[in-house]
Amino acid sequence: DTEVTQTPKHLVMGMTNKKSLKCEQHMGHRAMYWYKQKAKKPPELMFVYSYEKLSINESVPSRFSPECPNSSLLNLHLHALQPEDSALYLCASSRYISGTSGRQAYEQYFGPGTRLTVT
Amino acid sequence: DQQVKQNSPSLSVQEGRISILNCDYTNSMFDYFLWYKKYPAEGPTFLISISSIKDKNEDGRFTVFLNKSAKHLSLHIVPSQPGDSAVYFCAASARGNKLVFGAGTILRVKS
Repeated sequence: DTEVTQTPKHLVMGMTNKKSLKCEQHMGHRAMYWYKQKAKKPPELMFVYSYEKLSINESVPSRFSPECPNSSLLNLHLHALQPEDSALYLCASSRYISGTSGRQAYEQYFGPGTRLTVT
Repeated sequence: DQQVKQNSPSLSVQEGRISILNCDYTNSMFDYFLWYKKYPAEGPTFLISISSIKDKNEDGRFTVFLNKSAKHLSLHIVPSQPGDSAVYFCAASARGNKLVFGAGTILRVKS
């Protein structure tokens, strides 16, 4: 099973709303990621969680707040977003973090994404 | 500063023929390379990867070649099928879990 699930599939929110994106994997992966992808562009890394702790924040504005409640779940809390934040938000997971096991395993498995529109 | 470049925005190939997608990189610290396929409105799907200690990795119809001296890798799909039509992203990692993606190449396989 190499499935990463994301909910909701689509989300429309106003600039004053608070919403959350959810991601789940049951592959036993200990690294989880949030990416943002605009049309015709590659995915851009936002956050990395390693063993449920935030290890990388790519200078993402504070209106995006990640949370990792346990090793299978990853949330992205959204508040006071701007129209330019409209994009496909992708969650991914991978098995190992370099350096923790001596084995390089960087294959990241992506979910289907949440299409976010900010009005 | 684009560390991973896919210079061909699109590629059109006849069904049954070989598709060759190219990727160049500038960071000599990259030690692991991956190819992803993406259909519209879906997340990228991992296809195949290669470590910098190898120069070739094969998985079914997909083969990735790495030329470290030229900082170049390529993905070969043989034979190409209409279902292979998608956007292909090259990605690289430097001793860590941060992937750097290329801009992608749209592959169209004509039947």
